[in-house]
Amino acid sequence: GDSVTQMEGPVTLSEEAFLTINCTYTATGYPSLFWYVQYPGEGLQLLLKATKADDKGSNKGFEATYRKETTSFHLEKGSVQVSDSAVYFCALSQAQKLVFGQGTRLTINP
Amino acid sequence: EADIYQTPRYLVIGTGKKITLECSQTMGHDKMYWYQQDPGMELHLIHYSYGVNSTEKGDLSSESTVSRIRTEHFPLTLESARPSHTSQYLCASSESRQGGEKLFFGSGTQLSVL
Repeated sequence: GDSVTQMEGPVTLSEEAFLTINCTYTATGYPSLFWYVQYPGEGLQLLLKATKADDKGSNKGFEATYRKETTSFHLEKGSVQVSDSAVYFCALSQAQKLVFGQGTRLTINP
Repeated sequence: EADIYQTPRYLVIGTGKKITLECSQTMGHDKMYWYQQDPGMELHLIHYSYGVNSTEKGDLSSESTVSRIRTEHFPLTLESARPSHTSQYLCASSESRQGGEKLFFGSGTQLSVL
């Protein structure tokens, strides 16, 4: 079945560092891809999405490009802030269901 | 801004009690979901509904039950709580749009069964 695999965490970085969180997927057909973020004590929020190959989703300085050839959707940010500390989930949508990765906890130190 | 609400936010209860976790949304979404989130953060779909009087079990087997009598309301019930039910429970609703489902999540209920 469809699945999403994320880079194992936790990830700890210093403020202003470059961030990459890897995400690869397995799916039949052409799913839509998402990144969700969960801040401490809150539910998940949609961060960005891409609906077809080579699309780039972006929001709040984060970016991810839908790479069909490598079945990947890596999350990147050029300069992270303490406020980016959260858990990040990669997900795919197919057949009206959302499949989540296992989550990556990100901690940014000042 | 998402309008989906879960209550209670935190619940500590003894073994054997019956509990109901409430979830309501004011967006008119037909689809609603319950996820169980373990301490390792992974999300497991335990129930979903595609509309009134429609409920299905998710990928993870759960002893809980759900009902969908009204579009806006999707409560989850545990008839007899056990310590193994201790977890974070997240409710979500979605709108179908071109490009797949977009889920809106509530803030969750942290359940502790003693």
